[in-house]
Amino acid sequence: NAGVTQTPKFQVLKTGQSMTLQCAQDMNHEYMSWYRQDPGMGLRLIHYSVGAGITDQGEVPNGYNVSRSTTEDFPLRLLSAAPSQTSVYFCASSYSEGSGNTIYFGEGSWLTVV
Amino acid sequence: AQTVTQSQPEMSVQEAETVTLSCTYDTSESDYYLFWYKQPPSRQMILVIRQEAYKQQNATENRFSVNFQKAAKSFSLKISDSQLGDAAMYFCAYRSAHSGKIIFGKGTRLHILP
Repeated sequence: NAGVTQTPKFQVLKTGQSMTLQCAQDMNHEYMSWYRQDPGMGLRLIHYSVGAGITDQGEVPNGYNVSRSTTEDFPLRLLSAAPSQTSVYFCASSYSEGSGNTIYFGEGSWLTVV
Repeated sequence: AQTVTQSQPEMSVQEAETVTLSCTYDTSESDYYLFWYKQPPSRQMILVIRQEAYKQQNATENRFSVNFQKAAKSFSLKISDSQLGDAAMYFCAYRSAHSGKIIFGKGTRLHILP
């Protein structure tokens, strides 16, 4: 049981490049989400999904794209990277049924845009 | 839209003493869940305690307990007999029972003084 797996762990991008942060979970969780963590800002919700084929925007969705074609995977795409997207990104998942269930987090992806 | 506010960016407490971290939230929903997460320097997100909004009884987990005041929309965390290992960033989180969306406060950095 691997839990929530994020890749890559570290990435340096040039402004204007695109990339995809991968997130996979093997717990059959319906709910998956992406957060970014910046100093003094806590974790801000980018996008989330309550099941395959269903996604919705969070607090800071601009510049990011997501899709959920399978229950297991929830990739986050940066379409044209900007220095303001330098951050630590966390993927999280949980069961939706009985929403008090524990939220499981990946280990984080450190992204630097130069 | 729901919001979560942690008004104390940093706090310090003497080892073995008791400390309370504050969290307030704003929502128009009646059904939701609240969480406290701990993030040590490793950046791992660790569940400390959770509370269902429909339960009047305050949740407890060993040295950790909450004071949940639904009418006041307040959810504070009390740590008793503070230990050096409690030093971390603590995040308060709100989960909508309707949308499943989870949002976090900006965090409180807790220092434990030996």
